[in-house]
Amino acid sequence: SQQGEEDPQALSIQEGENATMNCSYKTSINNLQWYRQNSGRGLVHLILIRSNEREKHSGRLRVTLDTSKKSSSLLITASRAADTASYFCATDQGAQKLVFGQGTRLTINP
Amino acid sequence: ETGVTQTPRHLVMGMTNKKSLKCEQHLGHNAMYWYKQSAKKPLELMFVYNFKEQTENNSVPSRFSPECPNSSHLFLHLHTLQPEDSALYLCASSQAVVAGAETQYFGPGTRLLVL
Repeated sequence: SQQGEEDPQALSIQEGENATMNCSYKTSINNLQWYRQNSGRGLVHLILIRSNEREKHSGRLRVTLDTSKKSSSLLITASRAADTASYFCATDQGAQKLVFGQGTRLTINP
Repeated sequence: ETGVTQTPRHLVMGMTNKKSLKCEQHLGHNAMYWYKQSAKKPLELMFVYNFKEQTENNSVPSRFSPECPNSSHLFLHLHTLQPEDSALYLCASSQAVVAGAETQYFGPGTRLLVL
């Protein structure tokens, strides 16, 4: 099955800066979701954007979706040390199948 | 963490052992999932259950045997595993929908080491 691919694989920034992560995919989707995972723990859902939406906000998170380019971006503004985690995009392949990318490892330096 | 619990959190087993992983969700959902997360690989969907019925088996070897006695509980029975089965096993739940995938809520995972 096709998988989302996050870019970059790793990102290190200073606290207070903005972090941008990108996700590309190859098939048509119903929706795209972003999840966060702290080291060795379960995934936490951040935001879901449907295929007919272009942008969505949740607190310090901003997600965009460009279905023509089959890409999405996650922007975290005013980053904090607690944002250090791995971030995954997941594409809805239909029939309740979420296909995850390999993730972006984000490190926020104090 | 999010209404989905998993036990045990850590498990070490030999290749001849039989063990079971347990997942319980307190969210009133009717779909449950098993995922495998290995180092440096994307999260892999293993099984999907809707209203206690298995609706997806993603070509998982028979040494992994799922069981869903009701919509709140999901088990993964393990027997004669291989060292390459060592991974973090994650359970998730969601509302069941006919088409599309809704938000999934994950448990903290079971870290499995097969010796």
